[in-house]
Amino acid sequence: GENVEQHPSTLSVQEGDSAVIKCTYSDSASNYFPWYKQELGKRPQLIIDIRSNVGEKKDQRIAVTLNKTAKHFSLHITETQPEDSAVYFCAASIGLKTSYDKVIFGPGTSLSVIP
Amino acid sequence: DVKVTQSSRYLVKRTGEKVFLECVQDMDHENMFWYRQDPGLGLRLIYFSYDVKMKEKGDIPEGYSVSREKKERFSLILESASTNQTSMYLCASSSQGASYNEQFFGPGTRLTVL
Repeated sequence: GENVEQHPSTLSVQEGDSAVIKCTYSDSASNYFPWYKQELGKRPQLIIDIRSNVGEKKDQRIAVTLNKTAKHFSLHITETQPEDSAVYFCAASIGLKTSYDKVIFGPGTSLSVIP
Repeated sequence: DVKVTQSSRYLVKRTGEKVFLECVQDMDHENMFWYRQDPGLGLRLIYFSYDVKMKEKGDIPEGYSVSREKKERFSLILESASTNQTSMYLCASSSQGASYNEQFFGPGTRLTVL
């Protein structure tokens, strides 16, 4: 089955610096890669996603890149702010022709942005 | 605005007790999920359901069962709670139709089994 690894497990950056979180997946059939952010004490929320027919996607200060050949995908946060401090989960999903797309989550990265 | 609610934020139970965790969503979503969240292990899927009365095992179903009698409600049952089931439990829902559907999570239930 699919396995998703995520690095680093913890990351501290100075406010204004960039942060990069990297994930790898094992199943080459995976074709959808969402990223969820979970602030302390709150529920995970989708912040950005990328499909396998796209190499890069950007939304303001957040960008995701996908390398299908290497089975790598990454989250890039530029100009980090204290409110970016949270746990970030990458995930991989195989878009099935049935009703359900099984999503496998990585173990998470705890990002701390130091003012 | 999607709303997924869970019956309790915090729950303390004793070993051997039967525990019910309930999840309700108000967006008419077909898919519902139960995850367990532990530090360093991410979100692990326990069970999911893509229709009323339908259920599928996730990656860690042992010691758990589920019930979905109505579309909006998905219950997780611990038949005989054990200390290793102390964890944060998250419910989620998503719609069908198109693929790549965003999952909407509930606030979580932190269960402690003594």
